[in-house]
Amino acid sequence: QVQLQESGPGLVKPSETLSLTCTVACDSIGSCYWSWIRQPAGKGLEWIGRISSTGISNYNPSLKSRVTMSVDTSKNQFSLNLSSVTAADTAVYYCARRGASNYFDSWGQGTLVTVSS
Amino acid sequence: EIVLTQSPATLSLSPGERATLSCRASQSVSNFLAWYQQKPGQAPRLLIYDASNRATGIPARFSGSGSATEFTLTISSLEPEDVAVYFCQQRSNWAGLTFGGGTKVEIK
Repeated sequence: QVQLQESGPGLVKPSETLSLTCTVACDSIGSCYWSWIRQPAGKGLEWIGRISSTGISNYNPSLKSRVTMSVDTSKNQFSLNLSSVTAADTAVYYCARRGASNYFDSWGQGTLVTVSS
Repeated sequence: EIVLTQSPATLSLSPGERATLSCRASQSVSNFLAWYQQKPGQAPRLLIYDASNRATGIPARFSGSGSATEFTLTISSLEPEDVAVYFCQQRSNWAGLTFGGGTKVEIK
């Protein structure tokens, strides 16, 4: 199974930008897609968006105005920026890879981000 | 947005019993539906993809069925290690992937 690892601040102030990075690997340029998915404590999963190894992105319409994703294949990383955060953005954030099945077959361990002053 | 509704919210069964979990889509997703298992403190794990295909390494007691708007995950004989929350997810529209709210499976 492919290893993914999220990193970034665990605490972000309201109205600021949440920034996370995921270390990934892609053995075939042009065919890898990675997503960010979040989960508030005790709740369900919410897909934030995805980006390909060539920079093609799709975002959840409900978050689209605040989300930016980018990829740096030279560093084997892709990133999430979520602007103007509120307490409602407090969650465990996962990065996940789209596998050959076209579903998420590899996940990071998740990183808790708390929005609080 | 395609809404996935899972039922029941909680399922409490004895070891060896059959577990039947339901996922209903607000519009047809063809067979583009997956099931994930999430144990406490862990990331989700892919169990079933495209409605009925078991992912690599998944025990045969897990099976999926359905199409269009009605889907079922069946655990044929519940094991203690199956205690988890199970989520369905559709990929009919990659611009708007969605997950169901989850079903929690408990052991009596």
